[in-house]
Amino acid sequence: AQTVTQSQPEMSVQEAETVTLSCTYDTSENNYYLFWYKQPPSRQMILVIRQEAYKQQNATENRFSVNFQKAAKSFSLKISDSQLGDTAMYFCAFISLSGSARQLTFGSGTQLTVLP
Amino acid sequence: GAGVSQTPSNKVTEKGKYVELRCDPISGHTALYWYRQSLGQGPEFLIYFQGTGAADDSGLPNDRFFAVRPEGSVSTLKIQRTERGDSAVYLCASSLIPSGANVLTFGAGSRLTVL
Repeated sequence: AQTVTQSQPEMSVQEAETVTLSCTYDTSENNYYLFWYKQPPSRQMILVIRQEAYKQQNATENRFSVNFQKAAKSFSLKISDSQLGDTAMYFCAFISLSGSARQLTFGSGTQLTVLP
Repeated sequence: GAGVSQTPSNKVTEKGKYVELRCDPISGHTALYWYRQSLGQGPEFLIYFQGTGAADDSGLPNDRFFAVRPEGSVSTLKIQRTERGDSAVYLCASSLIPSGANVLTFGAGSRLTVL
C-alpha cells in the first residue's frame, strides 16, 4: 500500500515571497503520478501541478514548480511570488499506474497562509 | 454540465437516519469517484465507477455505505443508520476515463453532520 506524508501541518509566507511545501511518499511501484491539489475554503479540490514518475524533468506551471526526487521519494512544491489567493490547504497525492486500482492516495495536507 | 455538481451542500441529520448524497459529473465523463474527507485530514477513497458499474468499492468502510450510478451519469451515495463518525465532507470527482494519467475534476463536496 502507498502512503503519502506531509509533515508541515501549517505554514505561512509573506506576499511576494517564495515558499516550499514538503511531501514524501512510500511505494514499491515504478510507474505512477504525483499531484499537488489546492483546497480553498470553498472545499473544491483544484489541481495545481502533476508529475509523471518516469519523467526526470521537474514539472512547472507558472509560479508553481516541483522538486521531484524519485530515489528519495520526495515531491516538494515551490510557490514563487506568493499571492493572497494562494491561501489554502495543499494536498500531495499519489496514484499508481499499475494494475486496476484508480484511487488517489492523499497526504494529510498543509495549511498555507499568505500574509499581506 | 460545466463542472461537478454535488447536492446537498450541507446536510445535518440525526444518528440512525438514512441519507443520500448526489453527484452530477461533467457530461461525458465515464469515471466517477467518491472520497470522504474527515476534519483536518486528506480525502480517503471510497468507491469508483466506470460507466454504470462499481469498478472498485474497496474503500467503503462497511455495509451501511452504498453507491449507485444507474445510467452512467449521476451517482448517489447512500448511508444507512448514520453514526456520528460518519460526519465528514463527501467529495465527488469525475474524469474522462479511469486512467491514472487523467486529471480528476472535483465537486465542492457535501458536508454531512450527524448529531
